[in-house]
Amino acid sequence: DVQMTQSPSSLSVSVGDRVTITCRASQSISTYLNWYLQKPGKAPKLLIYASSSLQSGVPSRFSGSGSGTDFTLTISSLQPEDFATYYCQQSYTAQFTFGPGTKVDI
Amino acid sequence: EVQLVESGGALVQPGGSLRLSCAASEFTISDHYMDWVRQAPGKGLEWVGRTRNKVKSYTTEYAASVKGRFTISRDESKNSVYLQMNSLKSEDTAVYYCARVYGGKGNALDLWGQGTMVTVSS
Repeated sequence: DVQMTQSPSSLSVSVGDRVTITCRASQSISTYLNWYLQKPGKAPKLLIYASSSLQSGVPSRFSGSGSGTDFTLTISSLQPEDFATYYCQQSYTAQFTFGPGTKVDI
Repeated sequence: EVQLVESGGALVQPGGSLRLSCAASEFTISDHYMDWVRQAPGKGLEWVGRTRNKVKSYTTEYAASVKGRFTISRDESKNSVYLQMNSLKSEDTAVYYCARVYGGKGNALDLWGQGTMVTVSS
C-alpha cells in the first residue's frame, strides 16, 4: 500500500495568512494526488485534483503543486470559511489512501 | 441537483450484518466507478472499497481491513450502490460515505454523500 503523510498535523493561523500544507507519498504516485477540505460534521469536499487542477467552484486562493512523492497545498490568503481539516489522497493505485489530515484553526 | 444520498446506518451488535445504500441523482452511475469511504469518530478518512462500471466488468476492490467481510454492489436500474457489511466489529464504527470517482479528474472523488452512521456495539 502507498502510505501518505502530511505536515504539519495542525496549525494555528489568522485570517489573511498564507498557509502551506505538505503531503508525502511512500512511493512515486506521479501527479495522482488530490486535496480535500472537511468541516466538522460535513462530508469532505474536493479542492484540487491531479496535484494542481482546481475543482470547479473552488476559489483561486487555493493551489496545489508537486509530483512523484512530494506535494503542497497552498492557501494564499486564508479566509474565515477555510478553517477546517485538509486531507491529501493518492489515486495512483487501485486502493486509494488518505493522509492523516491537517487541522487549520485560529 | 447532482447528489448522492446514503441510508441504512444503524446500531448493530458485534458479529452482525448491515446493508448501506447510496442513491445517485441527476447523473448515471453506469458512467462511473463508485467508492465507499469511512471515518471513525474523531479520526481521519479511510478508503473502504470500490465498484467499477460495466467497461471494467463491475469488478471490485477492497481495503485489507474489510476484505472478506464487506461486499460492494450496484444496481444500475435503481442508480444505486450498496455496501453489505458482515461480521461487524467495534472498529467498523464510523460514518460511511459513498463517493463518485471521476476518471477525467485523475480519479479524484468529486462528489460525496452526506454520510450515514454505523455503530457496532453490544
